[in-house]
Amino acid sequence: DIVMTQSPDSLAVSLGERATINCKSSQSVLHSSNNKNYLAWYQQKPGQPPKVLIYWASTRESGVPDRFSGSGSGTDFTLTISSLQAEDVAVYYCQQYYSTPQAFGGGTKVEIK
Amino acid sequence: EVQLVESGGGLVQPGGSLRLSCAASGFTFSTYWMHWVRQAPGKGLVWVSRINGDGSGTSYAGSVKGRFTTSRDNAKNTLYLQMNSLRAEDTAVYYCARIASGSNSWVDYWGQGTLVTVSS
Repeated sequence: DIVMTQSPDSLAVSLGERATINCKSSQSVLHSSNNKNYLAWYQQKPGQPPKVLIYWASTRESGVPDRFSGSGSGTDFTLTISSLQAEDVAVYYCQQYYSTPQAFGGGTKVEIK
Repeated sequence: EVQLVESGGGLVQPGGSLRLSCAASGFTFSTYWMHWVRQAPGKGLVWVSRINGDGSGTSYAGSVKGRFTTSRDNAKNTLYLQMNSLRAEDTAVYYCARIASGSNSWVDYWGQGTLVTVSS
Protein backbone atom coordinates (compact mmCIF):
# COMPACT_ATOMS: atom_id res chain seq x y z
CA ASP A 1 0.00 0.00 0.00
CA ILE A 2 1.17 3.54 -0.73
CA VAL A 3 1.49 5.70 2.38
CA MET A 4 1.07 9.48 2.07
CA THR A 5 2.94 11.71 4.53
CA GLN A 6 2.24 15.43 4.79
CA SER A 7 4.29 18.12 6.47
CA PRO A 8 3.96 20.21 8.45
CA ASP A 9 0.94 19.16 10.52
CA SER A 10 0.03 22.81 10.85
CA LEU A 11 1.33 26.22 9.87
CA ALA A 12 0.46 29.82 10.61
CA VAL A 13 1.03 32.36 7.86
CA SER A 14 0.40 36.10 7.73
CA LEU A 15 -2.23 37.40 5.36
CA GLY A 16 -0.72 37.95 1.93
CA GLU A 17 2.24 35.69 2.61
CA ARG A 18 3.08 32.34 1.00
CA ALA A 19 2.03 28.99 2.48
CA THR A 20 3.76 25.79 1.42
CA ILE A 21 2.53 22.28 2.19
CA ASN A 22 4.49 19.15 1.40
CA CYS A 23 3.29 15.64 0.57
CA LYS A 24 5.47 12.58 0.15
CA SER A 25 4.35 9.20 -1.14
CA SER A 26 6.05 5.96 -0.13
CA GLN A 27 6.14 4.87 -3.79
CA SER A 28 6.10 6.81 -7.03
CA VAL A 29 2.65 7.85 -8.25
CA LEU A 30 3.98 8.76 -11.70
CA HIS A 31 2.41 6.46 -14.28
CA SER A 32 4.83 5.64 -17.08
CA SER A 33 2.04 5.02 -19.60
CA ASN A 34 0.88 8.65 -19.64
CA ASN A 35 3.60 10.49 -17.68
CA LYS A 36 0.99 11.76 -15.21
CA ASN A 37 1.27 11.98 -11.45
CA TYR A 38 -1.82 10.48 -9.80
CA LEU A 39 -1.97 13.05 -7.01
CA ALA A 40 -4.74 15.40 -5.90
CA TRP A 41 -5.05 18.14 -3.30
CA TYR A 42 -8.21 18.93 -1.35
CA GLN A 43 -9.29 21.75 0.94
CA GLN A 44 -11.63 21.11 3.85
CA LYS A 45 -13.19 23.91 5.86
CA PRO A 46 -14.81 23.25 9.26
CA GLY A 47 -18.15 21.47 9.01
CA GLN A 48 -17.83 20.97 5.26
CA PRO A 49 -16.83 18.09 3.01
CA PRO A 50 -13.52 18.34 1.18
CA LYS A 51 -13.25 20.19 -2.12
CA VAL A 52 -10.77 19.35 -4.86
CA LEU A 53 -8.24 22.05 -5.65
CA ILE A 54 -5.63 20.33 -7.80
CA TYR A 55 -5.44 17.04 -9.71
CA TRP A 56 -2.73 15.40 -11.81
CA ALA A 57 -0.44 17.08 -9.25
CA SER A 58 -0.60 20.47 -10.95
CA THR A 59 -3.92 20.95 -12.79
CA ARG A 60 -6.14 23.47 -11.05
CA GLU A 61 -9.82 22.58 -10.79
CA SER A 62 -12.18 24.97 -12.55
CA GLY A 63 -13.05 27.93 -10.32
CA VAL A 64 -10.09 27.50 -7.98
CA PRO A 65 -8.19 30.79 -7.52
CA ASP A 66 -4.82 30.92 -9.23
CA ARG A 67 -3.07 31.61 -5.94
CA PHE A 68 -3.29 27.84 -5.44
CA SER A 69 -0.69 25.82 -7.32
CA GLY A 70 0.63 22.28 -7.22
CA SER A 71 4.04 20.98 -8.18
CA GLY A 72 6.25 17.93 -7.89
CA SER A 73 6.63 14.52 -9.45
CA GLY A 74 7.24 10.92 -8.51
CA THR A 75 7.15 10.87 -4.71
CA ASP A 76 7.46 14.52 -3.65
CA PHE A 77 4.75 17.12 -4.08
CA THR A 78 3.96 20.63 -2.92
CA LEU A 79 0.82 22.72 -2.62
CA THR A 80 1.54 26.44 -2.59
CA ILE A 81 -0.82 29.25 -1.66
CA SER A 82 0.99 32.26 -3.09
CA SER A 83 -0.79 34.96 -1.08
CA LEU A 84 -2.83 33.67 1.84
CA GLN A 85 -6.35 35.03 2.19
CA ALA A 86 -8.61 34.77 5.22
CA GLU A 87 -10.90 32.34 3.38
CA ASP A 88 -8.01 29.91 2.87
CA VAL A 89 -8.03 28.90 6.54
CA ALA A 90 -8.70 25.17 6.28
CA VAL A 91 -7.15 21.73 6.43
CA TYR A 92 -5.46 20.57 3.24
CA TYR A 93 -5.07 16.93 2.20
CA CYS A 94 -3.16 15.21 -0.55
CA GLN A 95 -4.42 11.94 -2.03
CA GLN A 96 -2.86 9.41 -4.35
CA TYR A 97 -5.18 7.74 -6.84
CA TYR A 98 -2.47 5.65 -8.49
CA SER A 99 -3.45 2.45 -6.72
CA THR A 100 -5.93 1.04 -4.25
CA PRO A 101 -6.18 1.85 -1.36
CA GLN A 102 -6.32 5.43 -2.64
CA ALA A 103 -4.82 6.88 0.52
CA PHE A 104 -4.94 10.41 1.87
CA GLY A 105 -2.22 12.25 3.71
CA GLY A 106 -2.78 13.13 7.33
CA GLY A 107 -3.71 16.74 6.60
CA THR A 108 -2.13 20.16 7.17
CA LYS A 109 -4.01 22.83 9.08
CA VAL A 110 -3.43 26.35 7.76
CA GLU A 111 -4.13 29.28 10.07
CA ILE A 112 -3.58 33.02 10.05
CA LYS A 113 -0.61 34.33 12.03
CA GLU B 1 -26.40 19.94 -10.55
CA VAL B 2 -24.60 16.96 -9.06
CA GLN B 3 -25.90 16.05 -5.61
CA LEU B 4 -24.92 13.28 -3.22
CA VAL B 5 -27.02 12.93 -0.08
CA GLU B 6 -26.06 10.42 2.60
CA SER B 7 -28.44 9.03 5.18
CA GLY B 8 -28.69 6.20 7.68
CA GLY B 9 -26.17 7.30 10.27
CA GLY B 10 -26.85 7.23 13.98
CA LEU B 11 -25.93 5.67 17.31
CA VAL B 12 -25.29 1.93 17.35
CA GLN B 13 -23.87 -0.39 19.98
CA PRO B 14 -20.57 -2.19 19.49
CA GLY B 15 -21.13 -5.35 17.49
CA GLY B 16 -24.20 -3.89 15.84
CA SER B 17 -25.01 -3.15 12.22
CA LEU B 18 -26.01 -0.13 10.19
CA ARG B 19 -26.69 0.53 6.51
CA LEU B 20 -25.79 3.86 4.99
CA SER B 21 -27.33 5.15 1.79
CA CYS B 22 -26.17 7.80 -0.66
CA ALA B 23 -28.76 9.17 -3.06
CA ALA B 24 -27.22 10.54 -6.23
CA SER B 25 -28.73 12.98 -8.71
CA GLY B 26 -27.72 15.32 -11.49
CA PHE B 27 -25.55 12.83 -13.37
CA THR B 28 -25.66 9.38 -14.97
CA PHE B 29 -24.98 7.43 -11.79
CA SER B 30 -24.26 4.08 -13.41
CA THR B 31 -21.29 5.41 -15.37
CA TYR B 32 -19.30 6.52 -12.31
CA TRP B 33 -17.15 4.65 -9.84
CA MET B 34 -17.85 5.73 -6.26
CA HIS B 35 -15.95 5.84 -2.97
CA TRP B 36 -16.87 5.76 0.68
CA VAL B 37 -14.49 7.87 2.78
CA ARG B 38 -14.71 8.39 6.53
CA GLN B 39 -13.44 10.95 9.00
CA ALA B 40 -13.29 10.33 12.74
CA PRO B 41 -14.05 13.38 14.91
CA GLY B 42 -11.15 15.82 14.67
CA LYS B 43 -9.14 13.46 12.48
CA GLY B 44 -8.18 13.12 8.83
CA LEU B 45 -9.78 11.52 5.80
CA VAL B 46 -9.60 7.75 5.47
CA TRP B 47 -10.53 5.83 2.36
CA VAL B 48 -12.99 3.01 3.10
CA SER B 49 -14.12 1.39 -0.14
CA ARG B 50 -14.70 1.78 -3.85
CA ILE B 51 -17.19 0.30 -6.27
CA ASN B 52 -17.32 0.27 -10.04
CA GLY B 53 -20.17 1.55 -12.17
CA ASP B 54 -22.17 -1.66 -12.56
CA GLY B 55 -21.49 -2.84 -9.02
CA SER B 56 -19.55 -5.92 -10.05
CA GLY B 57 -16.25 -4.82 -8.52
CA THR B 58 -15.45 -3.59 -5.04
CA SER B 59 -12.38 -2.97 -2.91
CA TYR B 60 -11.98 -2.23 0.79
CA ALA B 61 -9.56 -0.86 3.32
CA GLY B 62 -8.00 -3.56 5.43
CA SER B 63 -9.61 -2.17 8.58
CA VAL B 64 -13.14 -2.86 7.27
CA LYS B 65 -12.65 -5.84 4.95
CA GLY B 66 -14.98 -8.67 5.90
CA ARG B 67 -17.20 -6.37 7.99
CA PHE B 68 -18.35 -3.73 5.47
CA THR B 69 -20.02 -4.29 2.10
CA THR B 70 -20.47 -1.65 -0.57
CA SER B 71 -23.19 -2.06 -3.17
CA ARG B 72 -25.27 0.07 -5.48
CA ASP B 73 -28.70 0.09 -7.10
CA ASN B 74 -28.35 1.94 -10.37
CA ALA B 75 -32.10 1.85 -10.98
CA LYS B 76 -32.52 3.86 -7.77
CA ASN B 77 -29.36 5.95 -8.21
CA THR B 78 -28.28 4.91 -4.75
CA LEU B 79 -25.02 3.76 -3.20
CA TYR B 80 -24.98 1.67 -0.01
CA LEU B 81 -22.56 0.79 2.75
CA GLN B 82 -23.60 -2.16 4.91
CA MET B 83 -21.59 -2.05 8.13
CA ASN B 84 -21.55 -5.10 10.42
CA SER B 85 -19.66 -5.96 13.61
CA LEU B 86 -19.19 -2.28 14.32
CA ARG B 87 -16.44 -1.13 16.66
CA ALA B 88 -15.82 2.08 18.56
CA GLU B 89 -13.09 2.96 16.08
CA ASP B 90 -15.64 2.99 13.26
CA THR B 91 -17.13 6.16 14.76
CA ALA B 92 -16.84 8.78 12.04
CA VAL B 93 -18.58 10.93 9.49
CA TYR B 94 -19.03 8.81 6.38
CA TYR B 95 -18.90 10.54 3.01
CA CYS B 96 -19.88 9.15 -0.34
CA ALA B 97 -17.81 10.58 -3.14
CA ARG B 98 -17.85 10.48 -6.92
CA ILE B 99 -14.70 9.52 -8.75
CA ALA B 100 -14.21 12.01 -11.57
CA SER B 101 -13.33 9.64 -14.39
CA GLY B 102 -12.82 5.90 -14.50
CA SER B 103 -11.39 3.99 -11.57
CA ASN B 104 -8.14 5.81 -10.85
CA SER B 105 -9.09 9.44 -10.60
CA TRP B 106 -9.63 12.19 -8.08
CA VAL B 107 -12.89 12.89 -6.28
CA ASP B 108 -14.85 15.67 -7.92
CA TYR B 109 -18.00 15.63 -5.77
CA TRP B 110 -18.62 14.78 -2.11
CA GLY B 111 -21.77 14.39 -0.09
CA GLN B 112 -22.26 16.28 3.16
CA GLY B 113 -21.65 13.14 5.19
CA THR B 114 -23.58 11.15 7.79
CA LEU B 115 -22.33 10.59 11.34
CA VAL B 116 -22.02 7.07 12.71
CA THR B 117 -21.40 6.74 16.43
CA VAL B 118 -20.54 3.34 17.87
CA SER B 119 -20.96 3.38 21.62
CA SER B 120 -22.66 1.51 24.42
